[in-house]
Amino acid sequence: EVQLVESGGGLVKPGGSLRLSCAASGFTFSSYSMNWVRQAPGKGLEWVSSISSSSSYIYYADSVKGRFTISRDNAKNSLYLQMNSLRAEDTAVYYCARDQSPTEDDAFDIWGQGTMVTVSS
Amino acid sequence: QLVLTQSPSASASLGASVKLTCTLSSGHSSYAIAWHQQQPEKGPRYLMKLNSDGSHSKGDGIPDRFSGSSSGAERYLTISSLQSEDEADYYCQTWGTGAWVFGGGTKLTVL
Repeated sequence: EVQLVESGGGLVKPGGSLRLSCAASGFTFSSYSMNWVRQAPGKGLEWVSSISSSSSYIYYADSVKGRFTISRDNAKNSLYLQMNSLRAEDTAVYYCARDQSPTEDDAFDIWGQGTMVTVSS
Repeated sequence: QLVLTQSPSASASLGASVKLTCTLSSGHSSYAIAWHQQQPEKGPRYLMKLNSDGSHSKGDGIPDRFSGSSSGAERYLTISSLQSEDEADYYCQTWGTGAWVFGGGTKLTVL
């Protein structure tokens, strides 16, 4: 079964750091670009960051550029999001998602169940 | 700037059909989009990829009741024979070089 499972969420103070993980299974993880998407409480989906299969291409939304770092370990079938200098507006459920095509930017066809990040003093 | 616009809400009766709209910003009418469904308290679920010519490819296990179509900058999701479990938020998504964009979502109520 193709599956993505996020972990690492929790409560953190403003200015703090958190590292999210996403464990992939059921497909050849090293062949696909991967992504982080977040959803603030009661709000819509917001793309956060993307990383290509070999980590050659990395992109960030302006709202997190310079504070968040995406990475992956293909040997461990895992995707990561290091979040620093966290703000209240980063409070959201964070989802990892797979790019549908192994060869080009595409729709997100597999989603995880999400992990909640709360930034509050 | 690549932007997707969706109506905030829609409603239709059980057993009826509904057509949701996603509009691409000016200059982007050739872009493909994807439709995703998010049921209450769940993560998003990929429904389909929809091209500018109306051709579409659905995700695994997506019922035939879900179909897509296109006209100019508009992309549509039609759900027929509405069931109670179709009550959900529906998001469109598109992508450009180094950026992925979501519409604001449409909350579908099944009456």
